Amino acid sequence: DQQVKQNSPSLSVQEGRISILNCDYTNSMFDYFLWYKKYPAEGPTFLISISSIKDKNEDGRFTVFLNKSAKHLSLHIVPSQPGDSAVYFCAAKNYNQGGKLIFGQGTELSVKP
Amino acid sequence: GAGVSQSPSNKVTEKGKDVELRCDPISGHTALYWYRQRLGQGLEFLIYFQGNSAPDKSGLPSDRFSAERTGESVSTLTIQRTQQEDSAVYLCASSLGAGGETQYFGPGTRLLVL
Repeated sequence: DQQVKQNSPSLSVQEGRISILNCDYTNSMFDYFLWYKKYPAEGPTFLISISSIKDKNEDGRFTVFLNKSAKHLSLHIVPSQPGDSAVYFCAAKNYNQGGKLIFGQGTELSVKP
Repeated sequence: GAGVSQSPSNKVTEKGKDVELRCDPISGHTALYWYRQRLGQGLEFLIYFQGNSAPDKSGLPSDRFSAERTGESVSTLTIQRTQQEDSAVYLCASSLGAGGETQYFGPGTRLLVL
C-alpha cells in the first residue's frame, strides 16, 4: 500500500529551465509535506516543506504547491542548475502520529548544461 | 558533532548472521528515527524514539529487527538471522522534536547480505 507516490522515476531538464517534480498521496490524514534531496552515497537533506493549511510555499528557487482536493503536490525549481541533479523524495506525515515520515519512491532529476 | 553519524558505513555479512548498526544523533535532538532504502525504492520507516516515550515500532518488518536508544543519545539497530532481503541502506535521522521539526539524516549504512 503505497501511500505516497512519485510516478516519474526520472526527469531530464535543460539548465535554466523549470523542473517540476510531482507527488501524489492517498491518506487524507496527512497534514504536513516535505521534499528531500539526495545525492549518491549521502543521506537525504531537507529542502522545503508545506503545511496543509497552505497551498504554496516558496524558498528561493524552490516552490512547493499543494492541491489538497487532488491529493497532489509538486516541487518547482526555477531556474534549474546542474547542481540540482539528484534524487528528490516527497514525504508526508500526520502531526498526531508523531514524527514518522512516509516517503515516495523518488524522482531522479538530471539538469543538463 | 556537526551532524548525524552512522557506523559502519558498509557491512557485508552472511545470511543467518546477526548485525548491529549504530547511530549517533545530533546533540540535543530528542527524536531519533530509523529508515531503510532498498535498491530503487523510497525510504521505508522502521522505528522512532521520542524522549522517554515508548518507541513507535510500527515499521519494523519482522521480529528479527529491534532497536534500542540510551536516553537521548546513541541508538543501535539490530537485525538477527539476516536474510538476503534485508540488504538495503539503513538511514538514521534525528530532530529536535517529533512535530514539524526537520529530520536530519546520516549518510547511512549499506548492508549487503550474501
